[in-house]
Amino acid sequence: AQSVTQPDIHITVSEGASLELRCNYSYGATPYLFWYVQSPGQGLQLLLKYFSGDTLVQGIKGFEAEFKRSQSSFNLRKPSVHWSDAAEYFCAVSPTDKLIFGTGTRLQVFP
Amino acid sequence: DAGITQSPRHKVTETGTPVTLRCHQTENHRYMYWYRQDPGHGLRLIHYSYGVKDTDKGEVSDGYSVSRSKTEDFLLTLESATSSQTSVYFCAISESVSPYEQYFGPGTRLTVT
Repeated sequence: AQSVTQPDIHITVSEGASLELRCNYSYGATPYLFWYVQSPGQGLQLLLKYFSGDTLVQGIKGFEAEFKRSQSSFNLRKPSVHWSDAAEYFCAVSPTDKLIFGTGTRLQVFP
Repeated sequence: DAGITQSPRHKVTETGTPVTLRCHQTENHRYMYWYRQDPGHGLRLIHYSYGVKDTDKGEVSDGYSVSRSKTEDFLLTLESATSSQTSVYFCAISESVSPYEQYFGPGTRLTVT
């Protein structure tokens, strides 16, 4: 069965530091991949997506993600974190007509 | 932001009572979804719809039913609410099936006492 793993439940970084959030998926072929962000009390907002082509994709708010087929990974990165990036981040895959979500990573940012 | 509203935004109800949550969209998207979000589980699909009167079950559909009589509205009903259905419920819409992304509503926090 398809699945998504986000190994880090909670990550804390200092403002201005770099960030990498991990995402691994289990699927026989290359799925469509997404990262969503959820601010407290809000719905989910799409950060970026990968369908095909260039394995490094750029998203909103200065985020990027890299698809690595050999590692079945789609890690999210940002070179310099801002306090407003504190939120929960969800990786999702879409092998068919549905989205399968990971359990999320909560990001805390210290000044 | 996609035009998606959910009502009510917060609700407290008692065990055994019926509850209906509404999702309304102004985007004329064909596909609509209901998810529940619980700590440690991420978002799990309850039901989805691929058109008026066309619905199907998701991963956690037991105890829930849905209806879609108009393109813009997708209703989620808990026939007899239980404490295990205390959760945050999100509606999402999509223009088409994969690989199109889904857009999410603001959520409804439901507490069953």
